[in-house]
Amino acid sequence: AQKVTQAQTEISVVEKEDVTLDCVYETRDTTYYLFWYKQPPSGELVFLIRRNSFDEQNEIIGRYSWNFQKSTSSFNFTITASQVVDSAVYFCALSEGVLTGGGNKLTFGTGTQLKVEL
Amino acid sequence: NAGVMQNPRHLVRRRGQEARLRCSPMKGHSHVYWYRQLPEEGLKFMVYLQKENIIDESGMPKERFSAEFPKEGPSILRIQQVVRGDSAAYFCASSPPDRGFGNTIYFGEGSWLTVV
Repeated sequence: AQKVTQAQTEISVVEKEDVTLDCVYETRDTTYYLFWYKQPPSGELVFLIRRNSFDEQNEIIGRYSWNFQKSTSSFNFTITASQVVDSAVYFCALSEGVLTGGGNKLTFGTGTQLKVEL
Repeated sequence: NAGVMQNPRHLVRRRGQEARLRCSPMKGHSHVYWYRQLPEEGLKFMVYLQKENIIDESGMPKERFSAEFPKEGPSILRIQQVVRGDSAAYFCASSPPDRGFGNTIYFGEGSWLTVV
């Protein structure tokens, strides 16, 4: 069975600090997809990134970067020079392959609450 | 370019009443999913639908919960005879037809159900 672990329940940083959110996953499949979503205080879920298991290249989008390491089954998320607007709950999610019909079923971690203070 | 639209955003129901949550997927998306987020927890998959078909309902409670995605109109998640334990945020998501290497799944803003 697939599983996603976000061991950090809550992280507090001061603005402009860098912060890394950890995500460790378990799966038996060789084809799978990893996601990160942001849930700000307003409650909506905002898609940040999707990676497939064949692409281990790290990615940088602005102040956000992701480190995917299959050897350790980790997909960590780093925010550089954090800002107050980054305060949110961040979820890591895993999808194993494709369902009958072409859809994907996501297994979510329990989330990491990030608080960025002035 | 509207995203996934859910309504209502907030719904209060008394125990024993019915709750209906609606979801319109993003334009061009043929897959609809419902997830539930209980307080202080991550999201849990409930059901995956395509037009007029339930594809995977492995996460749906066996009783009182049902979902549909008719040929015309939004997807509906229906909860009959609500109980306090149904209080949660219900998220709808959608994705485009599969291209063979998985899809990005986009979520709506959620519907917060409170049962009093």
